[in-house]
Amino acid sequence: DSGVTQTPKHLITATGQRVTLRCSPRSGDLSVYWYQQSLDQGLQFLIQYYNGEERAKGNILERFSAQQFPDLHSELNLSSLELGDSALYFCASSARAGTHTEAFFGQGTRLTVV
Amino acid sequence: GENVEQHPSTLSVQEGDSAVIKCTYSDSASNYFPWYKQELGKRPQLIIDIRSNVGEKKDQRIAVTLNKTAKHFSLHITETQPEDSAVYFCAALNTGFQKLVFGTGTRLLVSP
Repeated sequence: DSGVTQTPKHLITATGQRVTLRCSPRSGDLSVYWYQQSLDQGLQFLIQYYNGEERAKGNILERFSAQQFPDLHSELNLSSLELGDSALYFCASSARAGTHTEAFFGQGTRLTVV
Repeated sequence: GENVEQHPSTLSVQEGDSAVIKCTYSDSASNYFPWYKQELGKRPQLIIDIRSNVGEKKDQRIAVTLNKTAKHFSLHITETQPEDSAVYFCAALNTGFQKLVFGTGTRLLVSP
């Protein structure tokens, strides 16, 4: 167990719908990353938050948004879903204050858009 | 921003052979280089990492080397076993900026 919790584990929804994926980082970790992994593909960086603020943005679609709350959990919102959004979405956390940077991944949320 | 290239995309070896995966990075300020192993349907897990003040690090059958001048780092697996079969990702991080960028992954297949 990495200490990073993602919910839900599986999600099936229809095209055009909106979903929210949730990530609870390891206790004390300030940084949360979101990645998308389509079938047999690599880890595509979406967005990163550090202590509540957006730190970096990758190839995140405008239909997607995220935020990190004061308790450091993060949510990834995906709207107007398309079939191509079906993928495994991972979050990772790192950077406990004052220490280094190993990133731990959650188990992922498998999103299926039908 | 940082860009990480990883080669090869697939690698097939016989059990007992060695496997080498190579990565290059673009941001000279990157100073932390982890390697992750991802088994089918599972989350990536850290297997070894190296910091920029070190040239090589070993952990049993796994080793990582770093050439800061050339901005290359490599993963070496010796005496490969079928359970080493997985996708391996390299990554680079500028710890000041805290952005972790991954390579595209290498699918390693170890045949008995």
